[in-house]
Amino acid sequence: DVKVTQSSRYLVKRTGEKVFLECVQDMDHENMFWYRQDPGLGLRLIYFSYDVKMKEKGDIPEGYSVSREKKERFSLILESASTNQTSMYLCASSGTDSTDTQYFGPGTRLTVL
Amino acid sequence: AQSVSQHNHHVILSEAASLELGCNYSYGGTVNLFWYVQYPGQHLQLLLKYFSGDPLVKGIKGFEAEFIKSKFSFNLRKPSVQWSDTAEYFCAVAGGSYIPTFGRGTSLIVHP
Repeated sequence: DVKVTQSSRYLVKRTGEKVFLECVQDMDHENMFWYRQDPGLGLRLIYFSYDVKMKEKGDIPEGYSVSREKKERFSLILESASTNQTSMYLCASSGTDSTDTQYFGPGTRLTVL
Repeated sequence: AQSVSQHNHHVILSEAASLELGCNYSYGGTVNLFWYVQYPGQHLQLLLKYFSGDPLVKGIKGFEAEFIKSKFSFNLRKPSVQWSDTAEYFCAVAGGSYIPTFGRGTSLIVHP
């Protein structure tokens, strides 16, 4: 059974803190993605990675960075958390073809106080 | 650039009612189309997808979708919904690249 796991289901942080969200996939997928999900806005792409150490900005990269040191792991970093980054964060992975299904993790609900 | 529009943001139905969720996309070339579903407390997962061949695609749990190229549409249907279909449904389009664009989602509530 394919699996994408995320380090935390719920996280509460304070404004200005550095936050790390980790994602691991066991499907040997080349592509990995970070989205944020907000009510009424759907899924918005923050960053994606198509290979180790490679990354591309998505639609809303401001305030975020990413790291992919190993193929199976993709980290999302909030350098200085702000209240407007309170959201559900979803990680996904897929193969390299546009017909490929994305496999999603359970999500991390981040609250920034 | 590709984009997706889901017309219904909230849908409330009674069990056994028929369902149709609208999805229109914008992209000039060949597209791959997806419907994903997120049941309460669960992962987002694939419901069905279209990339070529028969434009009527059947997915899990009795869902189907029809790709109508002339209308740029990929509407999701189910003839008789169940309480367990309560979920959020997302349409997505992937055009030239493997990176899909998602719609804003439709929240479906089915009353028993």
